[in-house]
Amino acid sequence: NAGVTQTPKFRILKIGQSMTLQCTQDMNHNYMYWYRQDPGMGLKLIYYSVGAGITDKGEVPNGYNVSRSTTEDFPLRLELAAPSQTSVYFCASINTGRAAFFGQGTRLTVV
Amino acid sequence: GEDVEQSLFLSVREGDSSVINCTYTDSSSTYLYWYKQEPGAGLQLLTYIFSNMDMKQDQRLTVLLNKKDKHLSLRIADTQTGDSAIYFCAESVNNNDMRFGAGTRLTVKP
Repeated sequence: NAGVTQTPKFRILKIGQSMTLQCTQDMNHNYMYWYRQDPGMGLKLIYYSVGAGITDKGEVPNGYNVSRSTTEDFPLRLELAAPSQTSVYFCASINTGRAAFFGQGTRLTVV
Repeated sequence: GEDVEQSLFLSVREGDSSVINCTYTDSSSTYLYWYKQEPGAGLQLLTYIFSNMDMKQDQRLTVLLNKKDKHLSLRIADTQTGDSAIYFCAESVNNNDMRFGAGTRLTVKP
């Protein structure tokens, strides 16, 4: 059972470039989340989805977009990368028992 | 305040008990969680407690919840070097989200 898989693990972007962070889960969870983790800070919610076709903004959505066309996939898109988006990004899914499963994270640097 | 608060660092000797404290914000939170993050890895659920409980024990882990003070603690008995990690406290929010603390870095010295 793979759980939550994120790709890539690392990426360096130039200011203004775009990229998509991929997230896939094979546990048939409805709830999926994208968080960012900045040094010395807790996780901040970017976007979340309660099921295929449904997405909603979290605490820090500016500069990001998401889609949820299937239960398994929840990609996060950065359209115009900015240095403030340098962070570690985590995707998570939650089962009905409210336990969250996290991916390994994507370390993004914008230069 | 709006933040889940934890101290940032804790250092203990191997074999001692560790106690990590957390103050959360929302008295209506249904679940409170402890997650463990090892270097270069994602967060891993360690344990959680339902808000109508005061205590939960799971092997070396004991979670205490004081709803009146919105205080959550995690006690690790007989702390080992493999317990060195960052521990995050989190509360459930609006049934759709979790609010995380900044994490406590636990260092276990031999």
